[in-house]
Amino acid sequence: AQKITQTQPGMFVQEKEAVTLDCTYDTSDQSYGLFWYKQPSSGEMIFLIYQGSYDEQNATEGRYSLNFQKARKSANLVISASQLGDSAMYFCAMREGHKGNKLVFGAGTILRVKS
Amino acid sequence: EAQVTQNPRYLITVTGKKLTVTCSQNMNHEYMSWYRQDPGLGLRQIYYSMNVEVTDKGDVPEGYKVSRKEKRNFPLILESPSPNQTSLYFCASNLAGGSADTQYFGPGTRLTVL
Repeated sequence: AQKITQTQPGMFVQEKEAVTLDCTYDTSDQSYGLFWYKQPSSGEMIFLIYQGSYDEQNATEGRYSLNFQKARKSANLVISASQLGDSAMYFCAMREGHKGNKLVFGAGTILRVKS
Repeated sequence: EAQVTQNPRYLITVTGKKLTVTCSQNMNHEYMSWYRQDPGLGLRQIYYSMNVEVTDKGDVPEGYKVSRKEKRNFPLILESPSPNQTSLYFCASNLAGGSADTQYFGPGTRLTVL
């Protein structure tokens, strides 16, 4: 079964608007971490934001926020005030507490910001 | 500057010719991992290491070897590369494991096996 599902292969957003990238996950662990990474066309993986399974508040990092709905097992990334430089591939990933050192990644969502 | 470095960044080789991709981190991290990225599949873990001389398989270890003789280095070895190992490879490191520990990635190595 897919551990991380990103249902949007590609998204468009107008510059300065907000966009939500969807991520659902599957785990039976109580302790887990959820991560979002950005991969621009240059190829590097850039860490954006982290949410722990026991965190009661949604994580925020500048223009990035994570809409964490534990009961629905979703961890959507919200980017506010989109910029042209936000055009990239975005990956949702999860680490389960007892599963060694493995990050499990979704297939990714390509975001294109239009001017 | 805290970073993970990989070399080479680009490599074209032929089937069966042994190769090594080096990875080094300067953050004194305990954990290091190798991933491969393929279209539509995201990143999948190949091997990881929890400390010097301690390694374990990830999801797709077949055809790969690793070693961890020093804390900072974690090379990926392809003894007999095949075309299905054409991929983008990432090395990553993190401080101490655990579900909250962020992994930091190297710049990637794009490998083509002809």
